[in-house]
Parts: sequence; C-alpha cells; structure tokens
Amino acid sequence: ETGVTQTPRHLVMGMTNKKSLKCEQHLGHNAMYWYKQSAKKPLELMFVYNFKEQTENNSVPSRFSPECPNSSHLFLHLHTLQPEDSALYLCASSQGLAGEVGQETQYFGPGTRLLVL
Amino acid sequence: AQSVTQPDIHITVSEGASLELRCNYSYGATPYLFWYVQSPGQGLQLLLKYFSGDTLVQGIKGFEAEFKRSQSSFNLRKPSVHWSDAAEYFCAVSPMRGGYQKVTFGTGTKLQVIP
Repeated sequence: ETGVTQTPRHLVMGMTNKKSLKCEQHLGHNAMYWYKQSAKKPLELMFVYNFKEQTENNSVPSRFSPECPNSSHLFLHLHTLQPEDSALYLCASSQGLAGEVGQETQYFGPGTRLLVL
Repeated sequence: AQSVTQPDIHITVSEGASLELRCNYSYGATPYLFWYVQSPGQGLQLLLKYFSGDTLVQGIKGFEAEFKRSQSSFNLRKPSVHWSDAAEYFCAVSPMRGGYQKVTFGTGTKLQVIP
C-alpha cells in the first residue's frame, strides 16, 4: 500500500465517548501533520510531528491528544468532544520540515469524517 | 504573517472551456507556492508546486500555474476542462527559509463543470 492512509474513514461518536483516529504513511517521510477541515473555513493546522517529536501544537484544546509512536504512524485520541468538533480530519506527511526545496511538500490522506452528537 | 486569498468561492464552467482559478498571497518575500485539489470525500492531492526558476509550472491532469511576483499571484489554469475536474481547489503558501515553516491554505474554490 502506498501514500497516506487514514482509518476509520467515517466516525460518529457521542460527547462522552473516547475514540482514536489513525494515520499511516508509506512514503518514508519524517514529518506528519493533523489538520481540521470545517465547512467554509480554511484548513486548520492542529499538530506537527518531526522524527516523532511534536514540533507544533496550534492552540488545540486538550480534548484532542496526538500520539506519534514512530515516523510512520500518527494517532489522534479524542475525548469528550463537542458538536463543533465535527469536521473532516486530515493527516499529511512530508519528507522533512527544513527549508530545502521539496522537503516540505505535504501529501494528504483521504481524511476521517467525524460527527459528534 | 503570510496569508492566501482565493477570491472566487465557486466557479462554474462548461466542459471543454478554459479555466483560471485565482490565488493571491501576502508575504514579504517569495514563498513556496502550491495548488491542491480535493474531490468530494477525499483528501487533498498535490497538483503542482513552485519553488524557483521558470515561473510557469506544469502539473498533473493538464493543469499549469503561473507565478507573477509583481502581482503576488499564482493562478491555476487549464485550457480545456473535463467533467472529472469538478472538485475543490486550494492554493497554499509556505515561507522560503530554513527550519519549520507552517503552510497556509486558502479557503478554496469549488469548481462545477456543466455539460
């Protein structure tokens, strides 16, 4: 399997549930990202990991908890979410973060469509 | 701070007609520039990117984009649109300097193709 994969593709959860989103990249990249895509809003960067280390937390509420056990896998643990958290959650990866040409081109997974009831 | 503007939220073109999607950016220097396409229910797919050199960039699926420094623009074009091009298109920029740099995305332009 190639590229960036995400599971599940669709998720419905109640506000008291705990669930996790999974992302896996097969591109040999070192950096991985979580984005939130809501209707009529720009793509929002949530977290960045480089070589398994968190590089950025873009003021994301603590009910979202990322985990990056290795450079190929990225998780987003969800707990006590709110209805406004319903969105498409996209994972992306890139070769690196440095300013070298081509290092930061991001490749995206298909996303997980999350609905919080 | 950098920003990206896609002034057209929605565009409708006839199949076979030419297409131009506009993208303007705000940044103090020349950034890296990208165009992505998102089909319904899918993630973003990279169409093309500009880093340096020739200001006319060729991408996949017959798309091209032209970087115009004087206008701070990076418009996407296709000479003849196909029904399968119906999707949402995102322009993105990233500062051209070392170290981690956040990519900023525009709000997208939704393309409808009519017969």
